[in-house]
Amino acid sequence: SQELEQSPQSLIVQEGKNLTINCTSSKTLYGLYWYKQKYGEGLIFLMMLQKGGEEKSHEKITAKLDEKKQQSSLHITASQPSHAGIYLCGNAGGTSYGKLTFGQGTILTVHP
Amino acid sequence: DTGVSQNPRHKITKRGQNVTFRCDPISEHNRLYWYRQTLGQGPEFLTYFQNEAQLEKSRLLSDRFSAERPKGSFSTLEIQRTEQGDSAMYLCASSLALADWTDTQYFGPGTRLTVL
Repeated sequence: SQELEQSPQSLIVQEGKNLTINCTSSKTLYGLYWYKQKYGEGLIFLMMLQKGGEEKSHEKITAKLDEKKQQSSLHITASQPSHAGIYLCGNAGGTSYGKLTFGQGTILTVHP
Repeated sequence: DTGVSQNPRHKITKRGQNVTFRCDPISEHNRLYWYRQTLGQGPEFLTYFQNEAQLEKSRLLSDRFSAERPKGSFSTLEIQRTEQGDSAMYLCASSLALADWTDTQYFGPGTRLTVL
């Protein structure tokens, strides 16, 4: 099994709907990163969460870290076709540098 | 544009050939990472540089793989005697690490390798 499990693996929503993507870790979350990836392209940094209970928002995307449960969630409000892509969570792992271990990704499709 | 750049974007090669990829990090970034991503999976860590020093190599990086970062600027990743299993997206990321390890990595567009 993977160190980071994302759910769901894929998600299809109608434009305007809200949605949530979850990331659960089998290890302690030291620094939890969320990235977005368009197919065949690089990763775009969204947010980083470090402290238990921390919550950050950027435009219509909100990420929360539940440190006790070793979980993070990414919530998108009023989804738009521009939100479509692959969402990846990554854990910094607590080493002296920031090597990231990623989940397998969640593929989001937004129908107009 | 001052983002991370990678060249080439696509590379098709025959099994047994050698290939080399280049990554130009964001200027002033002292850390550089290489990851490999296969279809349907998240990126997997390959190796990491702090300035010009290569400080860790994943077990995924066999003897056929070598990476360099001369003078702590751009980096190259070479694969010798390519195999079909090497087909993947190779991603480079850079970061500016100061006091701790929570440095944000910024990724390049990747190099997609296809080994025939």
